[in-house]
Amino acid sequence: SQTIHQWPATLVQPVGSPLSLECTVEGTSNPNLYWYRQAAGRGLQLLFYSVGIGQISSEVPQNLSASRPQDRQFILSSKKLLLSDSGFYLCAWIPAGGGEAFFGQGTRLTVV
Amino acid sequence: AQRVTQPEKLLSVFKGAPVELKCNYSYSGSPELFWYVQYSRQRLQLLLRHISRESIKGFTADLNKGETSFHLKKPFAQEEDSAMYYCALRPGGYQKVTFGTGTKLQVIP
Repeated sequence: SQTIHQWPATLVQPVGSPLSLECTVEGTSNPNLYWYRQAAGRGLQLLFYSVGIGQISSEVPQNLSASRPQDRQFILSSKKLLLSDSGFYLCAWIPAGGGEAFFGQGTRLTVV
Repeated sequence: AQRVTQPEKLLSVFKGAPVELKCNYSYSGSPELFWYVQYSRQRLQLLLRHISRESIKGFTADLNKGETSFHLKKPFAQEEDSAMYYCALRPGGYQKVTFGTGTKLQVIP
């Protein structure tokens, strides 16, 4: 069966420090991968999505970047965190042919 | 550009009352529409999708292309329905999935 792992679950980082959140998928190949930020009253904001290795689409200008070094690995990064980067980040995957999205457990990032 | 609108941030109903969570979308083509639910301390998960045309946990949703709506309905609310509900759209043939801002459903005993 397919599973999605996202870590860490919680993270507290100082302003100006780097960030790396990792998401991996098991049990499937060539998934479409997504990073969302979930905020109260703003719903799920799509940050990045990827349809293949090295292929990244960015949805909103921001202090974050994404990479897909392997087929089932999706990484969310920042070189220097801002206070406004605090939030709840969700990774998701969808089969290449479309259909249901499967979400990770999420990462609560607090920038102090 | 595609957009999903959920006008209600919070919907409170009494147990046994009917529920309707509104979702409107804007997209010129033929989209795929979904409802996702997030129960307390659980992962976001699929509730239903319009192409399945099925009822899940008593919930149904009909795609109305004329009104560009995909409202979620249940005739009799139950306490366990209390959760956060998100409407989502995926344009046909494309991979970008857009979510609405979500509606928190609160079922009062």
